[in-house]
Amino acid sequence: AQKITQTQPGMFVQEKEAVTLDCTYDTSDQSYGLFWYKQPSSGEMIFLIYQGSYDEQNATEGRYSLNFQKARKSANLVISASQLGDSAMYFCAMREGRGNTGKLIFGQGTTLQVKP
Amino acid sequence: GAVVSQHPSWVICKSGTSVKIECRSLDFQATTMFWYRQFPKQSLMLMATSNEGSKATYEQGVEKDKFLINHASLTLSTLTVTSAHPEDSSFYICSARDSDRASYEQYFGPGTRLTVT
Repeated sequence: AQKITQTQPGMFVQEKEAVTLDCTYDTSDQSYGLFWYKQPSSGEMIFLIYQGSYDEQNATEGRYSLNFQKARKSANLVISASQLGDSAMYFCAMREGRGNTGKLIFGQGTTLQVKP
Repeated sequence: GAVVSQHPSWVICKSGTSVKIECRSLDFQATTMFWYRQFPKQSLMLMATSNEGSKATYEQGVEKDKFLINHASLTLSTLTVTSAHPEDSSFYICSARDSDRASYEQYFGPGTRLTVT
């Protein structure tokens, strides 16, 4: 069964507007972490934001915020004030369990295009 | 921040030959590294978890004898694609966790693009 689901293969947003990228997950662990990465056409994976399962506050990093709804098992990424440089593929990922050895499972990705 | 390098960044090899890809953590020690492969416009698929000083743990469906992983030191893991075929052409990415920090973050290398002709 798919553990991380991103249902939006592609999204468009107008420059300077906000956009929400959806991510739902499935786990029976109580302790887990949720990540968002950006992958531009160069291929590098750029870490954007992290949310721990026990974190009560939604994570924020600059223009990025994570809308964490634990009961619904969703971890949507909100990008405010979109910029042309935000055009890239975005991946949601989950790490189950505690410790430093937990592997990441990635969603299918969402391609975001920012229009001028 | 922590830096992970990969070498080479791209490689073209003939079918039937082997190719080795290196993943190095430059300014931290990594007991555990991970190898992923990614086809164009698709997700990253975890291939294996590389553990320093012990055998790698492979994901279901990944051929251990074809994708040889060696994690000989705390800063270096290598992935060798043996007897490569065109279907092995892909983007291979490694990542590493900092062993000395109780951090959630995983640092990714820039990737290696393999083309098998």
